[in-house]
Amino acid sequence: DQQVKQNSPSLSVQEGRISILNCDYTNSMFDYFLWYKKYPAEGPTFLISISSIKDKNEDGRFTVFLNKSAKHLSLHIVPSQPGDSAVYFCAALPGRGYQKVTFGTGTKLQVIP
Amino acid sequence: GAVVSQHPSRVICKSGTSVKIECRSLDFQATTMFWYRQFPKQSLMLMATSNEGSKATYEQGVEKDKFLINHASLTLSTLTVTSAHPEDSSFYICSARDTGGGKNIQYFGAGTRLSVL
Repeated sequence: DQQVKQNSPSLSVQEGRISILNCDYTNSMFDYFLWYKKYPAEGPTFLISISSIKDKNEDGRFTVFLNKSAKHLSLHIVPSQPGDSAVYFCAALPGRGYQKVTFGTGTKLQVIP
Repeated sequence: GAVVSQHPSRVICKSGTSVKIECRSLDFQATTMFWYRQFPKQSLMLMATSNEGSKATYEQGVEKDKFLINHASLTLSTLTVTSAHPEDSSFYICSARDTGGGKNIQYFGAGTRLSVL
């Protein structure tokens, strides 16, 4: 039972344009979300998080949007750079104090120069 | 961001031998660390949750006698793959949970590629 889903396994974007990565979840108990970036043969790197009390969080080129009613979040990267090419995982927790993170299946982003 | 060091990055061993992987949080104390396994083209699979000073909690289907976890200090957890076999060949990743300042962020190590011959 995949509680966190990333329905697009891959995405190609031109350099300088916006990359939008989507994530849907089914567990209504989730209220803290994170995005990670992963290069091949490396561990994931934390990018940005958002709590359910917010609908938007921004950090530099990265913005995460949360739509609780739709159980949907998205990561916007603008402008996209070739170095952003990686696999992006969204992750969810039922509260900040909870330990186990549920990861999505990942979306491979390719930014074309 | 915080740094988690994982060592070794790659290990090749013979079938039947044991392999130890270390995971250290370098700039924060982590009462909780996690061990994941990643199969090709798949998401991270949580193997176990490592709690400092107590026994690890294993996910369903993970053999605790095969994957020994020790979390002896607030900055170090180890995973020992005992009597490794070729089917244990995989990419193992640790993470450490940073709860300082009200956060709940897992920072990951760079991973260990285990190849069992």
